[in-house]
Amino acid sequence: DVKVTQSSRYLVKRTGEKVFLECVQDMDHENMFWYRQDPGLGLRLIYFSYDVKMKEKGDIPEGYSVSREKKERFSLILESASTNQTSMYLCASSPRASVGNEKLFFGSGTQLSVL
Amino acid sequence: KNQVEQSPQSLIILEGKNCTLQCNYTVSPFSNLRWYKQDTGRGPVSLTIMTFSENTKSNGRYTATLDADTKQSSLHITASQLSDSASYICVVSPFSGGYNKLIFGAGTRLAVHP
Repeated sequence: DVKVTQSSRYLVKRTGEKVFLECVQDMDHENMFWYRQDPGLGLRLIYFSYDVKMKEKGDIPEGYSVSREKKERFSLILESASTNQTSMYLCASSPRASVGNEKLFFGSGTQLSVL
Repeated sequence: KNQVEQSPQSLIILEGKNCTLQCNYTVSPFSNLRWYKQDTGRGPVSLTIMTFSENTKSNGRYTATLDADTKQSSLHITASQLSDSASYICVVSPFSGGYNKLIFGAGTRLAVHP
């Protein structure tokens, strides 16, 4: 089974801190994604990557950046955390497919609280 | 604007009973529709994926149906178990889009009580 591992289940940070969320997948998937999940809203795409060193903005990239130096690892960076970035962050991966017919495999999520 | 709306927002049922969750979407044309199950504190896990030409797809006690004419999908859970307590998320993929175009519903939170 595909395993997508997020390094932290819970994080508490201060406003203005730089925050790193790490995600590793073990199935050699080309595609990796970062979403945030807020109560009452559907998942929203922050950034995604189709290959190493490649990144594309999703629907809500403001305040975030990403890094993909290795195929298995996709990092989400909050350059200066703010309280409105308090949320559940979900990483996902999938094999390469042009129209998204394959399953997305999600990590367990990181609940980030910014105080 | 492409939207996916799920109802009800939350639902409580007794163990052993059946239930049906609804998903209405405005995405057109679309490539496929998925249902995911998300346990509390976990990431979503895929239950079913249906293309626009499929009407029904089963996965054990979970059966998803799709009516492309009315743009509605439902997820039916048979003989519910306590482990079915979770959020269920409907996701639609527009025909012209890839993974970055997926549209997620807000989910239905199901609680199964003994």
